[in-house]
Amino acid sequence: GAVVSQHPSRVICKSGTSVKIECRSLDFQATTMFWYRQFPKQSLMLMATSNEGSKATYEQGVEKDKFLINHASLTLSTLTVTSAHPEDSSFYICSAGDSSLIGYTFGSGTRLTVV
Amino acid sequence: GIQVEQSPPDLILQEGANSTLRCNFSDSVNNLQWFHQNPWGQLINLFYIPSGTKQNGRLSATTVATERYSLLYISSSQTTDSGVYFCAPKGNMLTFGGGTRLMVKP
Repeated sequence: GAVVSQHPSRVICKSGTSVKIECRSLDFQATTMFWYRQFPKQSLMLMATSNEGSKATYEQGVEKDKFLINHASLTLSTLTVTSAHPEDSSFYICSAGDSSLIGYTFGSGTRLTVV
Repeated sequence: GIQVEQSPPDLILQEGANSTLRCNFSDSVNNLQWFHQNPWGQLINLFYIPSGTKQNGRLSATTVATERYSLLYISSSQTTDSGVYFCAPKGNMLTFGGGTRLMVKP
């Protein structure tokens, strides 16, 4: 079945630094990838939708200059949290879809802690 | 966008008990997925179910698209069923409900 690999699974960084999270579709071409954020004991909130070769579409309230998304190939999307602050600490999850897939497959998530 | 409500928000069961989780959504959808999020955060797809009924072992799901709701049945619950269950109807994109937090006690 469809597999999405997300790395790193856990990262701790200092305030003011940038962190890159990778999301790869391993056995299918992901024309669309989605990035979600989940705060403790809350649901998943969609941050942005990225389509291969074009700019990402950000949800309302998500700062595009802070959360940089790149979807340069059909198997890789990256989310870079720039100038991270403690309030950016959260669980970030990517998912990937393809027109041939029935549903969406999720990565294992990245737990970001900014100290 | 689609509004999604899940109930109950929290559920505690004794091992072996059965339960029904409900998901109401506000608009027509192309598909609907049920997920189990384990304690490590991994989202595991349980069902793709735009309509009708599907069964997989002790789990089954029913979606009545015309009435805009879906149900997830868990029978003979086990401690490993603990975690958060999300439904996610799909219109233009997946929209997650608030989840049902399930704890199964031995």
